[in-house]
Amino acid sequence: GAGVSQSPRYKVAKRGQDVALRCDPISGHVSLFWYQQALGQGPEFLTYFQNEAQLDKSGLPSDRFFAERPEGSVSTLKIQRTQQEDSAVYLCASSLKTGYTEAFFGQGTRLTVV
Amino acid sequence: KQEVTQIPAALSVPEGENLVLNCSFTDSAIYNLQWFRQDPGKGLTSLLLIQSSQREQTSGRLNASLDKSSGRSTLYIAASQPGDSATYLCAVLYNNNDMRFGAGTRLTVKP
Repeated sequence: GAGVSQSPRYKVAKRGQDVALRCDPISGHVSLFWYQQALGQGPEFLTYFQNEAQLDKSGLPSDRFFAERPEGSVSTLKIQRTQQEDSAVYLCASSLKTGYTEAFFGQGTRLTVV
Repeated sequence: KQEVTQIPAALSVPEGENLVLNCSFTDSAIYNLQWFRQDPGKGLTSLLLIQSSQREQTSGRLNASLDKSSGRSTLYIAASQPGDSATYLCAVLYNNNDMRFGAGTRLTVKP
């Protein structure tokens, strides 16, 4: 596609529900990042993939958060048993080759846990 | 800890002014530094990418500089316009493939 695509754009979940957020990176991009952005804050790193390998998941806030990229393209961020503090915008970014090329961001998924 | 700090947190200027946004980082082992713009409720738009071996990059009215040894970058905006109003974010890609953001500078350009 022309850019990084994230779906859904908005998600309202009841506390305790599981959610799955999808990221379609730019075709051919090797690197994929997930970020969490609270209102008025900069994005906070969650996890990083190089192709299908999850090389860094140090930013995932708890074991309720899980990310995968099984075929090295589309990625899914799953949050189990959502809590109110999970409410945020979840951003996905991809880059062609880590370290040398720009990272491009999707529009984000705004998650509201009620 | 790999921290990125942006100063000021907010800035309001009249139209036409030249302005400078600052970004500092604590670890000089970086691949690159990227400046983004974020409009309210929107995703991030890439403005400029500076590789660790470069000193500056220019695009139109924007100029970004990088001093890796001192852990600083500046984004210079010339002849600011109301359409420049947005939050500007600095992101540092470290050699461990970890990309860290500052909290951003919220810019308002008044007509």
